[in-house]
Amino acid sequence: NAGVMQNPRHLVRRRGQEARLRCSPMKGHSHVYWYRQLPEEGLKFMVYLQKENIIDESGMPKERFSAEFPKEGPSILRIQQVVRGDSAAYFCASSPPNTDNNEQFFGPGTRLTVL
Amino acid sequence: AQSVSQHNHHVILSEAASLELGCNYSYGGTVNLFWYVQYPGQHLQLLLKYFSGDPLVKGIKGFEAEFIKSKFSFNLRKPSVQWSDTAEYFCAVFRWGYNKLIFGAGTRLAVHP
Repeated sequence: NAGVMQNPRHLVRRRGQEARLRCSPMKGHSHVYWYRQLPEEGLKFMVYLQKENIIDESGMPKERFSAEFPKEGPSILRIQQVVRGDSAAYFCASSPPNTDNNEQFFGPGTRLTVL
Repeated sequence: AQSVSQHNHHVILSEAASLELGCNYSYGGTVNLFWYVQYPGQHLQLLLKYFSGDPLVKGIKGFEAEFIKSKFSFNLRKPSVQWSDTAEYFCAVFRWGYNKLIFGAGTRLAVHP
């Protein structure tokens, strides 16, 4: 059973370009979470999605960032017009639906570098 | 401000030394508690978790943690560390009704042979 998959693992963008980060949850998981880890800091919650719905985006920057989890396909975190401060590791996690077990399973992360 | 605090940002130990990493949180209500480990170049892996019941939980690789509700603490321990325990360790709290994990800043552990 494959774990949470993220791609690309490393992404380099120049300032002003767009970054698209993909996350495929574990099989049977319908809840997806995105976290950002800035250098020397812990992970910070960004957004929580279920299929076709954004449940909580309280951690998302107000501008340039968006996320989706379509009915088919992976979840996408999109960053428009990237700036140097967006350089970070972005982790996706997933959890199964309707369970008292709120353990989240993490992917390997995407390391974004903005030049 | 409500938060998850890890007291030590960097810890250096020799092999066979005992380890205790502190974690305190400031949330009321029902919480679930986790310790994750991130080995160099790898993704987060769950070490152990506390949901309910016995406050002393055992995890993988000889780690354990004790939930002390009155102190809002969930400290991680290992009696004898190995070089392979070199990693970054994150404490995390899940607050029921908030749908997110709140992470501490992490503790980098370096174990010297």
